[in-house]
Amino acid sequence: EVQLVESGGGLVQPGGSLRLSCAASGFTFSRTSMNWVRQAPGKGLEWLSYISPSNSPILYADSVKGRFTISRDNAKNSLYLQLNSLRDEDTAVYYCAGQGGFGELNYWGQGTLVTVSS
Amino acid sequence: EIVLTQSPGTLSLSPGERATLSCRASQSVSSNYLAWYQQKPGQAPRLLIYGASSRATGIPDRFSGSGSGTDFTLTISRLEPEDFAVYYCQQYGGSPLFTFGPGTKVDIK
Repeated sequence: EVQLVESGGGLVQPGGSLRLSCAASGFTFSRTSMNWVRQAPGKGLEWLSYISPSNSPILYADSVKGRFTISRDNAKNSLYLQLNSLRDEDTAVYYCAGQGGFGELNYWGQGTLVTVSS
Repeated sequence: EIVLTQSPGTLSLSPGERATLSCRASQSVSSNYLAWYQQKPGQAPRLLIYGASSRATGIPDRFSGSGSGTDFTLTISRLEPEDFAVYYCQQYGGSPLFTFGPGTKVDIK
């Protein structure tokens, strides 16, 4: 059974940092491109970042470029997202998602909530 | 940037009826890299359709996708009670790499 389990969310003050983790199982993580997607409360889905199986290329949405950093550890079947310089508008549920061959996101975690507030 | 527009914003239908959801792209979607997702409250999105018309594993055949270029459609042939949800289209390969439409809510009439 495919599982993606995110962790690391929580309450953080504006300007603060968090590191999100995503533990993968049930599929060949080392051969799968991975992504982070977020959803602000009551809003739609926003793609944030992509990382290939070999760590290159790495891509970001303009909204998070220079503030967020995606990484992966294939030996640990884990994906990470370092969130720096957080803003109120970064408040959202953050999902990790595995990518299929047609650019579809076929595996999703349950999400982890990040709340940025003073 | 490829912008996806979904219509209608809300679709009010009864169980057993047919639902037709539209997704229009501001530029041609390369190689039909167009997917559809279903999301229920408090849950992660669930992949329904990829490559514009291929059903994902385990998706009932009442869900079908069609279209190419800039115009795509998700059809639910006969709505079941569990189909009332929000549906998103998503493109891959443009700039940014992924974009999602704003969603269509299918609710019970």
